[in-house]
Order: sequence, then structure tokens, then C-alpha cells
Amino acid sequence: DQQVKQNSPSLSVQEGRISILNCDYTNSMFDYFLWYKKYPAEGPTFLISISSIKDKNEDGRFTVFLNKSAKHLSLHIVPSQPGDSAVYFCAASATRFGATNKLIFGTGTLLAVQP
Amino acid sequence: DVKVTQSSRYLVKRTGEKVFLECVQDMDHENMFWYRQDPGLGLRLIYFSYDVKMKEKGDIPEGYSVSREKKERFSLILESASTNQTSMYLCASSSRTGVPQETQYFGPGTRLLVL
Repeated sequence: DQQVKQNSPSLSVQEGRISILNCDYTNSMFDYFLWYKKYPAEGPTFLISISSIKDKNEDGRFTVFLNKSAKHLSLHIVPSQPGDSAVYFCAASATRFGATNKLIFGTGTLLAVQP
Repeated sequence: DVKVTQSSRYLVKRTGEKVFLECVQDMDHENMFWYRQDPGLGLRLIYFSYDVKMKEKGDIPEGYSVSREKKERFSLILESASTNQTSMYLCASSSRTGVPQETQYFGPGTRLLVL
């Protein structure tokens, strides 16, 4: 059973516009969420994260929003740039359970930013 | 900067061969992980280790084993490679005392083809 879901396999956006990537989760024990970016033939790189005690976290062009009641988070990229074209993975963790920091990943969304 | 290296970028093996994938991290991280990435399935956890000689099964451990004899090195072993193990294999590490703890740092990946 997929505990972290990214229902849009792909998204295409014009350069300069906003990209919104969505992620839903089912496990209410998740209390920490991360976004990773992955280029082809490379490992994922950490982008931004948010704790469940917050509803927004911003880092430059990237903002993550968390709606705990809806079990939904989104990543906003403004303005989008061609170099943002990559696969974006949402991940979640239940930090109260052990020290291993296991992450549960979504299936990813391929973002294509058109020049 | 955290550096996670994987012994090979590309591997081609025959069905039934024993395959070793090596991962080394240079940040003294306690936790290490092995994932596989397949289209439409995201990143799935195979095994993880939270200390030397300690290991725990992830979500898809069947057909795999691991070894962690030194803190910086985590090996994934395919006991008898099969075609359904053709995939991208990603190693990651994280610190138990890092801030945030949950952030995992990934290697570049090994693309394995089993013929």
C-alpha cells in the first residue's frame, strides 16, 4: 500500500511561471516531509523539508506547504527555470519511531520546464 | 560536503551471478540505506543499517543481502542475480545526530542490467 502518493507522473510548465508539485500521504504518524530532486543518471539531492509543526517553509525559489488535515503537501517553484527540469520525489518520515530515520518515498513527478 | 560514492555507475551481469554493489560515505554517518528505483514505483527501500554489523530489512529485501563491516562502507549483495533485479540501485547515508536527522544523502547510483 502506497503511503506516499504523487498522483501526477509528469508536469509541463513554461519558464518563468509557477510549478506546483503535489504529494498526498495516508499515515498520520508521519511528522517530517522532504522533497528531493533527481536528474537522470544521478542520485537524488535534497531540496527542502518541513516539520509537521509548521505549515510552510521557504528557501529561495522553493516553498513547501503542508496541510495536515488534508494530509497533503505541495512544492512551489517560482519562477520555474529550465534547469529545474527533473524528477521530484516527495518523502515522509515518522521521526518518533526509532533512530534510523527511514524515509517513505512517493513515485515521483517529472517536471519539464519549457524555455 | 557529504560524499557518497558507489563502486560502479553501470554493471552488466548474467542471470545466476553473484553481484556486489559497494557504497562508501565520508561523513561518519551512522545510518546507511540501499534503494532501488524503477519507473512508476519510485524509490523502494531494500535494506538499511544503523550501525556497524547491524542491518534491517526494508520493504523489498527478497533476493538481496547486505554487509556492513565498517562504518563508512555498506555493501549490497545479489546472491543469484535475476532479470527482475535489473534496476537503478541507490545508496544513501544519514546522521543520527544531524539537523534535520531525516535528511539522507545519496550516491550517484548504479544502473544494473541482468541478462
